[in-house]
Amino acid sequence: SQTIHQWPATLVQPVGSPLSLECTVEGTSNPNLYWYRQAAGRGLQLLFYSVGIGQISSEVPQNLSASRPQDRQFILSSKKLLLSDSGFYLCAWRMTETQYFGPGTRLLVL
Amino acid sequence: AQSVSQHNHHVILSEAASLELGCNYSYGGTVNLFWYVQYPGQHLQLLLKYFSGDPLVKGIKGFEAEFIKSKFSFNLRKPSVQWSDTAEYFCAVNAGNSGYSTLTFGKGTMLLVSP
Repeated sequence: SQTIHQWPATLVQPVGSPLSLECTVEGTSNPNLYWYRQAAGRGLQLLFYSVGIGQISSEVPQNLSASRPQDRQFILSSKKLLLSDSGFYLCAWRMTETQYFGPGTRLLVL
Repeated sequence: AQSVSQHNHHVILSEAASLELGCNYSYGGTVNLFWYVQYPGQHLQLLLKYFSGDPLVKGIKGFEAEFIKSKFSFNLRKPSVQWSDTAEYFCAVNAGNSGYSTLTFGKGTMLLVSP
């Protein structure tokens, strides 16, 4: 069966520091992968999606970037974090038309 | 562009009460519709989905949802809620023929069920 992992689970970072969040999927090949941010009262916002290695589409221009160095690995990064980057970051993969979500990373920028 | 509207941000019910959470979307073409649930401290989980066929779909834990195309709605229902249904519920939609299947989510409804 397929599983999706995210780490770290929780992260506290100072403003201006870099960020790297990792997502990996097991049990499938060439999945579509997605990064979302969940903010209280604002639902889930799609940030990036990827249909293959090295292929990234950005939905919302902002302080973040994404990369897909391997088939089942999806990384969310920032060179300099802003206070507004705080939130709950979710990775998802797609099977047919349904997306399945990872456990998420809670990021607090101070 | 697609958008999803969930009518209530917070709902408080007593156990055994009936539940209906509203969801409306704006998109003129074929859509796939989803309800996800996030229990406290847990992953976002798929509750049910509609792709085609019978507009009344049944999901896990006694939940069901009805797709009414003319109203662009996909309301979630449960006849009798339990304390364990306390969670945040998200409605989501994607264009049925989208190759990338990007989902558009509503802002969520927090359901609190009191024992």
